[in-house]
Amino acid sequence: GAGVSQTPSNKVTEKGKYVELRCDPISGHTALYWYRQSLGQGPEFLIYFQGTGAADDSGLPNDRFFAVRPEGSVSTLKIQRTERGDSAVYLCASSLRGSVNTDTQYFGPGTRLTVL
Amino acid sequence: KQEVTQIPAALSVPEGENLVLNCSFTDSAIYNLQWFRQDPGKGLTSLLLIQSSQREQTSGRLNASLDKSSGRSTLYIAASQPGDSATYLCAGVRGGSNYKLTFGKGTLLTVNP
Repeated sequence: GAGVSQTPSNKVTEKGKYVELRCDPISGHTALYWYRQSLGQGPEFLIYFQGTGAADDSGLPNDRFFAVRPEGSVSTLKIQRTERGDSAVYLCASSLRGSVNTDTQYFGPGTRLTVL
Repeated sequence: KQEVTQIPAALSVPEGENLVLNCSFTDSAIYNLQWFRQDPGKGLTSLLLIQSSQREQTSGRLNASLDKSSGRSTLYIAASQPGDSATYLCAGVRGGSNYKLTFGKGTLLTVNP
């Protein structure tokens, strides 16, 4: 079946602009996660959704970052007033229930964000 | 705070060699551990998930072990092939936060024909 998809695959923007990154999880997965991967680093957790609600947003770096999942499926990560330090690959993952004891998180290909 | 360290950062081996990738974590309250593979420009592919009650998992030529007491996990790759070339990441999940993966920086593996 279809995996996790993310659009766009690449996004180049100018400092100060607003960007939206989209994630389509695997159908039927109730849990959705966003991670950020900087060059040479492992992914870092940003936010976790269970259904429509953000169960844990402790990884969001500041209030310029916001994410929504209004219908419990597609999620959008929104970044306001982008800064050069926001440049990274933004990864989305989904899992069936969100209980990682038996769940596996399935990752999308990521969106590479470049802020000039 | 959970810290995950992977050694070595890079590894180059000839085809056919058996190899071991190492992962260590500082928090003994780790709930489970996953190994992922990442190809350039691609997302992560889950290879093996070891639950806290398990000591190892096997899939084909891959075997992963987990020793919570020492805070270590290893990924063993048998009879390596050029197609195994990728970055391998381990990630731990802490009990009580059973969804937040904490990743190491990865080991870049190159298998030479």
